Amino acid sequence: RKEVEQDPGPFNVPEGATVAFNCTYSNSASQSFFWYRQDCRKEPKLLMSVYSSGNEDGRFTAQLNRASQYISLLIRDSKLSDSATYLCVVSRSGGSYIPTFGRGTSLIVHP
Amino acid sequence: DGGITQSPKYLFRKEGQNVTLSCEQNLNHDAMYWYRQDPGQGLRLIYYSQIVNDFQKGDIAEGYSVSREKKESFPLTVTSAQKNPTAFYLCATRSPPANEKLFFGSGTQLSVL
Repeated sequence: RKEVEQDPGPFNVPEGATVAFNCTYSNSASQSFFWYRQDCRKEPKLLMSVYSSGNEDGRFTAQLNRASQYISLLIRDSKLSDSATYLCVVSRSGGSYIPTFGRGTSLIVHP
Repeated sequence: DGGITQSPKYLFRKEGQNVTLSCEQNLNHDAMYWYRQDPGQGLRLIYYSQIVNDFQKGDIAEGYSVSREKKESFPLTVTSAQKNPTAFYLCATRSPPANEKLFFGSGTQLSVL
């Protein structure tokens, strides 16, 4: 089982739709969780951190479920500009902070 | 302007040749990382350094080497032992604990001639 798993998609949605992505992780001692956004052939950029209590930033909501070992990202009112790949990042435990990436979920928002 | 500079943007390697990718940062971050990304894939960790003069292998270190002689610099050498080097290479730094966010350079696309 891979350490961090994501459905690669693509998720093809119309403008204005609500879309949700999940990411599962295998190391129960993982400590930090993030969602990054990556446009084609560009560097990833931090979208949001994910906290146990859940957090919201405008149209984006992230949640963490430690019991089931997954994190989620919800995008409401999708815009064309949301089209990108969304990367789930989980840090390993054991003293060294080692960020591990999922392969990403591709989102395509169409008119 | 604070940030991470990777160079070159594009690099071509001949068979049997070693090439070095540059990564420079002025964010004053201790931790630095090198990742490799293949098309349609996630980022895989090559090497990382938590502090100057120290570095550790990541998941796919074979065929690569690094050095960390200065806090600002973490160059990656792709050696001739790396038989499939064509990929997008990303350098990142990590902000201090309690924040722990990754910041990336703009990447280097390496191709084999």
